[in-house]
Amino acid sequence: QVQLVQSGAEVKKPGASVEVSCKASGYTFTNYAIHWVRQAPGQRLEWMGWISAGNGITKYSQKFLGRVTITRDTSASTAYMELSSLRSEDTAVYYCARRCEDYGDYVFCFWGQGTLVTVSS
Amino acid sequence: DIQMTQSPSSLSASVGDRVTITCRASQSISSYLNWYQQKPGKAPNLLIYAASSLQSGVPSRFSGSGSGTDFTLTISSLQPEDFATYYCQQSYSTLCTFGQGTKLEIK
Repeated sequence: QVQLVQSGAEVKKPGASVEVSCKASGYTFTNYAIHWVRQAPGQRLEWMGWISAGNGITKYSQKFLGRVTITRDTSASTAYMELSSLRSEDTAVYYCARRCEDYGDYVFCFWGQGTLVTVSS
Repeated sequence: DIQMTQSPSSLSASVGDRVTITCRASQSISSYLNWYQQKPGKAPNLLIYAASSLQSGVPSRFSGSGSGTDFTLTISSLQPEDFATYYCQQSYSTLCTFGQGTKLEIK
């Protein structure tokens, strides 16, 4: 079965960077993109970007352009999301997600468990 | 960006009630509208895709309708496990966006 397992919670100071990992299993990693979606406390879900696990092509939301970098390691079936220049508003749960088999690129059937990133001085 | 607006933002209902949640897009998104359920501390779970198609394993009391800019999610007879937050999401554009959520609470 498809599983996405994320790294643990992080506490960072303003201005620092954070990297969250997402290890995939149960399918051929390079066949699907991995998306990153975040959710600040009490807020709506917010799509950040994706990486094609096959060829490494990325696409980012304009909101995060210049601060977010998504990479992958195919040998480890793992995707990474790095967010830099952290500010308090970046405190959120960060999710990785994968599309469903047949419903379109942005319909998400599979999600990681979420990683809480807290930005605090 | 396509803005998604849900109403109401919160809703109190009883077990057995019929409930409808509305989602409106700021421009036409055809039928590229999905609904997710999220429980506290958990990742979202896909309920409905393409506006009206029921995801495998989702109970038939959930249904979706609409196209263009106006969509609805209906739960025909609320069960205790349905009390959660529901989000709509448009997958029409390559910048997918979500509604602000509707929190369904027990009356």
